[in-house]
Amino acid sequence: DQQVKQNSPSLSVQEGRISILNCDYTNSMFDYFLWYKKYPAEGPTFLISISSIKDKNEDGRFTVFLNKSAKHLSLHIVPSQPGDSAVYFCAASAETGTASKLTFGTGTRLQVTL
Amino acid sequence: DGGITQSPKYLFRKEGQNVTLSCEQNLNHDAMYWYRQDPGQGLRLIYYSQIVNDFQKGDIAEGYSVSREKKESFPLTVTSAQKNPTAFYLCASSSLRGLTDTQYFGPGTRLTVL
Repeated sequence: DQQVKQNSPSLSVQEGRISILNCDYTNSMFDYFLWYKKYPAEGPTFLISISSIKDKNEDGRFTVFLNKSAKHLSLHIVPSQPGDSAVYFCAASAETGTASKLTFGTGTRLQVTL
Repeated sequence: DGGITQSPKYLFRKEGQNVTLSCEQNLNHDAMYWYRQDPGQGLRLIYYSQIVNDFQKGDIAEGYSVSREKKESFPLTVTSAQKNPTAFYLCASSSLRGLTDTQYFGPGTRLTVL
């Protein structure tokens, strides 16, 4: 049972445009959400997170939106740059403050073209 | 430089042999985790530990063992009982002192069983 879903395996965006990566979840107990970026053969790098008490969090070019009623979150990257080309994982936690068991989606491969 | 180190980067093992993957962190984090990534899939939790000399099974613990004798170290042993050990293994750590639990990852070890 996939509790965190990233339904788009890949996304191609032109440099300078907006990239929108989507993530859906089914477990209503999730209260903390994270996005990680991963290059091949490397560990994931933390990008941005959002708590369920917020609906938006922004950090530079990255903004995460959370729609709790729809159980949906999205990561916006503006403007997209070639260095953003990587696999992006959405993750969720239901045990804030403890050794949280993160549940990951299957990832979306973003390709930023020139 | 604070961070998480994993060694070796690549590891080859013959079928039927046990092998131990190293994970060390100097971030003074309380919790440590082991994940496994298979092609086209998200990360799946193997084991995690909140405190020295204590650890809990994750979603796919069968065929694996861990120890946590020091706060900085969380080695993972892949035993011969693990049916499909070839994968990319990732170690992570997090502080339990705040309200949220952002996990930071090491560079990973790719294990190939010959």
